[in-house]
Amino acid sequence: DAMVIQNPRYQVTQFGKPVTLSCSQTLNHNVMYWYQQKSSQAPKLLFHYYDKDFNNEADTPDNFQSRRPNTSFCFLDIRSPGLGDAAMYLCATSGLAGGGQETQYFGPGTRLLVL
Amino acid sequence: AQSVTQPDIHITVSEGASLELRCNYSYGATPYLFWYVQSPGQGLQLLLKYFSGDTLVQGIKGFEAEFKRSQSSFNLRKPSVHWSDAAEYFCAVRSGGSYIPTFGRGTSLIVHP
Repeated sequence: DAMVIQNPRYQVTQFGKPVTLSCSQTLNHNVMYWYQQKSSQAPKLLFHYYDKDFNNEADTPDNFQSRRPNTSFCFLDIRSPGLGDAAMYLCATSGLAGGGQETQYFGPGTRLLVL
Repeated sequence: AQSVTQPDIHITVSEGASLELRCNYSYGATPYLFWYVQSPGQGLQLLLKYFSGDTLVQGIKGFEAEFKRSQSSFNLRKPSVHWSDAAEYFCAVRSGGSYIPTFGRGTSLIVHP
């Protein structure tokens, strides 16, 4: 009964070769987030969707893009991965529980390795 | 702007000992507070959350946290630590009008047998 699913769990790509990470959810949540997490650091928000409205963090590199074709799915595209993009990528969702009491639920993450 | 401070980068405890992980936040109004745990190579799992009401919050895996407004703190506690509790712990704060939490840098818990 997984709620936030990320595929693949491990992804190896070559320097400069485009890669797509996927996230799906069974919670029917409005909001979906993509975080980048490097070793021993807190997750860093890249962008999020409120329904279909896309919100980009100011310091997210242009190399990162995202798509949300429907409520359940969200994709992270890295157009030209560099060595510095090697990290864990976390997808999260939150729903409108009312009264602002939403909670984020995280997927298991995709570990990206850039060779 | 809201912020979260986890002053301890690493905490080492013996199995069976009690645990307290510190979290201090900065936010003008009543915050929404969360503790997450992350095992190596995994995503973040919610341990507990505080929105309002009773300031002592019970969570999963035997954890609890206490909201102290006067100290701007939300410390995580467990009376007896198990080896499987070794992980990274993140405190997060969010305002009621936002759905973007701010995370602390995390505290790494090491459990000695």
